[in-house]
Amino acid sequence: QSVLTQPPSVSGAPGQRVTISCTGSSSNIGADYDVHWYQQLPGTAPKLLIFLNSNRPSGVPDRFSGSKSATSASLAITGLQAEDEADYYCQSYDTSLSGWVFGGGTSLTVL
Amino acid sequence: QITLKESGPTLVKPTQTLTLTCTFSEFSLRTTGVGVGWIRQSPGEALEWLALIYWNDDKRYSPSLRSRLTITKDTSKNQVVLTMTNMDPVDTATYYCAHGTDYFNYWGQGTLVTVSS
Repeated sequence: QSVLTQPPSVSGAPGQRVTISCTGSSSNIGADYDVHWYQQLPGTAPKLLIFLNSNRPSGVPDRFSGSKSATSASLAITGLQAEDEADYYCQSYDTSLSGWVFGGGTSLTVL
Repeated sequence: QITLKESGPTLVKPTQTLTLTCTFSEFSLRTTGVGVGWIRQSPGEALEWLALIYWNDDKRYSPSLRSRLTITKDTSKNQVVLTMTNMDPVDTATYYCAHGTDYFNYWGQGTLVTVSS
């Protein structure tokens, strides 16, 4: 049971928009800790996709965006492409655990 | 270009101690604000943070694994070492080291460690 809750899977057709939610609590996201997102393509290491809630590292397309509100965060992907098929993880810090926490991951399928 | 690479045994027996080394380049753990963390991923499962060491030698551990983990750094060799005692088959996972503190912006390729007799 992950501290941050994500839907196990989402799907969308090419060109569509999908969102992935990340729900936390008052000891992590709700305590004003930032949320970060990672993309993990099959068989590869995770790659930083969004940092500090809504910032994209250099090279990440602007089709990817992040937001945060209260005790949750969201990752939005617009103009869905086949290459976006991957697992996506949110991450934050938890003050009760005094450590970094990940969501359970969401598998994105491009139909 | 920052790079990190994990090394260590691919197979360990139950009750043994695992020692993994993260060798990195293009940054230094002498630099203020820098940290290196270890994260693992059991087959088909989510990412799990294990430990992190800061430039100033401050160390943080996952509460659930604290008693079994030790993280150290060798700044002269640009290495971070993670040891995990009393290994069990449930510890079978890909172990990653990553650069960062609040978030992890560079990751190693990971090393698969299997625990089996």
